[in-house]
Amino acid sequence: EPEVTQTPSHQVTQMGQEVILRCVPISNHLYFYWYRQILGQKVEFLVSFYNNEISEKSEIFDDQFSVERPDGSNFTLKIRSTKLEDSAMYFCASSDRVGTGELFFGEGSRLTVL
Amino acid sequence: EDQVTQSPEALRLQEGESSSLNCSYTVSGLRGLFWYRQDPGKGPEFLFTLYSAGEEKEKERLKATLTKKESFLHITAPKPEDSATYLCAVDTFNQAGTALIFGKGTTLSVSS
Repeated sequence: EPEVTQTPSHQVTQMGQEVILRCVPISNHLYFYWYRQILGQKVEFLVSFYNNEISEKSEIFDDQFSVERPDGSNFTLKIRSTKLEDSAMYFCASSDRVGTGELFFGEGSRLTVL
Repeated sequence: EDQVTQSPEALRLQEGESSSLNCSYTVSGLRGLFWYRQDPGKGPEFLFTLYSAGEEKEKERLKATLTKKESFLHITAPKPEDSATYLCAVDTFNQAGTALIFGKGTTLSVSS
């Protein structure tokens, strides 16, 4: 069964360092997303991406965040200068259409900022 | 502000003991309501989409229903493998259709 894969599964970094989280969405999907979940809190939308550009972004997704689809298979989230409050589980998701709510999530990348 | 509230936060059931989880929402215009299941340390897994009041969807021991203010996830004769956190999410006309707003979830534990 096709799945969304994410790497790394866990990353520990120092405050102020740059981090890149990687995702390989399901191959025939066109819409890509990043969500995050701080421990014990809600899953929160960060950004959606379609046709090589950002479709929507939340208030959380400020100038320190960026997304890229560098080739035909990878989708990345970059955090330029990490803060303590960026510690969270980051989920990548993909879908083949919008409006159905049927997103396929990866298993997540846990980011710990020290 | 669009909001999704789930109750209870946690629910413990015996195997075979049916119950319901609640998701209430306050949104300016509901495009769709969705249920997901999340196992510990994993990403959410899609279960159902509901679009309009009165709609129902079923899958094995789960049935989701929708009214104008809330949704219920009914669990009939649950088994231990149904133990998970169940998340409710909405898509609203305030957004372009790609940003889901999640509730905090209900953590269900089913013991044998």
